[in-house]
Amino acid sequence: AQSVTQLGSHVSVSEGALVLLRCNYSSSVPPYLFWYVQYPNQGLQLLLKYTTGATLVKGINGFEAEFKKSETSFHLTKPSAHMSDAAEYFCAVSDLGQGAQKLVFGQGTRLTINP
Amino acid sequence: NAGVTQTPKFQVLKTGQSMTLQCAQDMNHEYMSWYRQDPGMGLRLIHYSVGAGITDQGEVPNGYNVSRSTTEDFPLRLLSAAPSQTSVYFCASSASRGGEAFFGQGTRLTVV
Repeated sequence: AQSVTQLGSHVSVSEGALVLLRCNYSSSVPPYLFWYVQYPNQGLQLLLKYTTGATLVKGINGFEAEFKKSETSFHLTKPSAHMSDAAEYFCAVSDLGQGAQKLVFGQGTRLTINP
Repeated sequence: NAGVTQTPKFQVLKTGQSMTLQCAQDMNHEYMSWYRQDPGMGLRLIHYSVGAGITDQGEVPNGYNVSRSTTEDFPLRLLSAAPSQTSVYFCASSASRGGEAFFGQGTRLTVV
């Protein structure tokens, strides 16, 4: 069975600092990988996804993630945090046979930005 | 463009009551799903559908029923509400396998 582990349920960084949110997955087949963001009292919004091809994926709002098969990781980064980045972030995986309608999510990481 | 619309936004039920959470999408997406979100557990898949007339169970299907009579609608039925079903419920749709899943705003359900 697929699973996703997000290291750190809470991450706090200063405005302008590097953001690094960690995600490791387990999958018996090559996966599709996603990062979603959730702002308070809202639904989830796609930040970026990896399906095939280039392993460094760029998303919205300056975020990017790198798929590392050997490490089964898909960490999310942003060079310089902004106050508006404060939200909860979810890593998710779906195997190639199921696609985006059958996602397995990590437990989420709440990102706080300190002024 | 409305995207994925969920109703109601908030609901309080008594134990044993039944209700239906509504989900509608106007993007002509084939794939639709229901998730529940609980603190510290992320989102877990309840049921999903790959097209009208086709549904299947996800990770946590017990206590819930779904049907998909049209492409647009995918209601979630709670048969006999229990306090363990207190959660935030999200409906999602996507156009294709591997495609972006679009989420509704959620329904916050409390069972007392």
